[in-house]
Amino acid sequence: DAGVTQSPTHLIKTRGQQVTLRCSPKSGHDTVSWYQQALGQGPQFIFQYYEEEERQRGNFPDRFSGHQFPNYSSELNVNALLLGDSALYLCASSWTGGGTEAFFGQGTRLTVV
Amino acid sequence: AQRVTQPEKLLSVFKGAPVELKCNYSYSGSPELFWYVQYSRQRLQLLLRHISRESIKGFTADLNKGETSFHLKKPFAQEEDSAMYYCALSTNFGNEKLTFGTGTRLTIIP
Repeated sequence: DAGVTQSPTHLIKTRGQQVTLRCSPKSGHDTVSWYQQALGQGPQFIFQYYEEEERQRGNFPDRFSGHQFPNYSSELNVNALLLGDSALYLCASSWTGGGTEAFFGQGTRLTVV
Repeated sequence: AQRVTQPEKLLSVFKGAPVELKCNYSYSGSPELFWYVQYSRQRLQLLLRHISRESIKGFTADLNKGETSFHLKKPFAQEEDSAMYYCALSTNFGNEKLTFGTGTRLTIIP
């Protein structure tokens, strides 16, 4: 089991563009959460997907959207990129059965120029 | 809203000395508390969670509801403990939405 995999590992985009980040959860996991980690900060919760629906959302604007597919993989989309969106984006997967650990991917480093 | 505070951004400790990384939280209900660790060039991983009451790699953490703290302790630091440590809180058991602190970088001096 490769664990949680994210792609791409690094990405450079221009302000105003749109970006899509991808995440494959750990085998057996059905819930995917996305976090944004700015430099020098802890991860901040963006949203969580379960059964292909957004179950919870953090304090992020509508420019941040996501999707979960039937195979539990997930995408994070960010529209109209701002310089402040530059960060490490982490995906975490877990099993919604309860009491289980969240496993994190290596992250995608997004740089907006 | 919940909040996690880690007052020390950096902490240096000599090998063999005791380690304590501080974590305070604010939440009116009954939280679930975690410590996550990130070693150099590795992904974020769970170190321990308060409900399991385990000792992992010699680390322990006790939830003190009166002081709203969840400090991480180890009696004798080892060089391989050098890493970034994050305290995190979840408000719903089994729902892994986590609120993280800003992290403490622990450096063990040989």
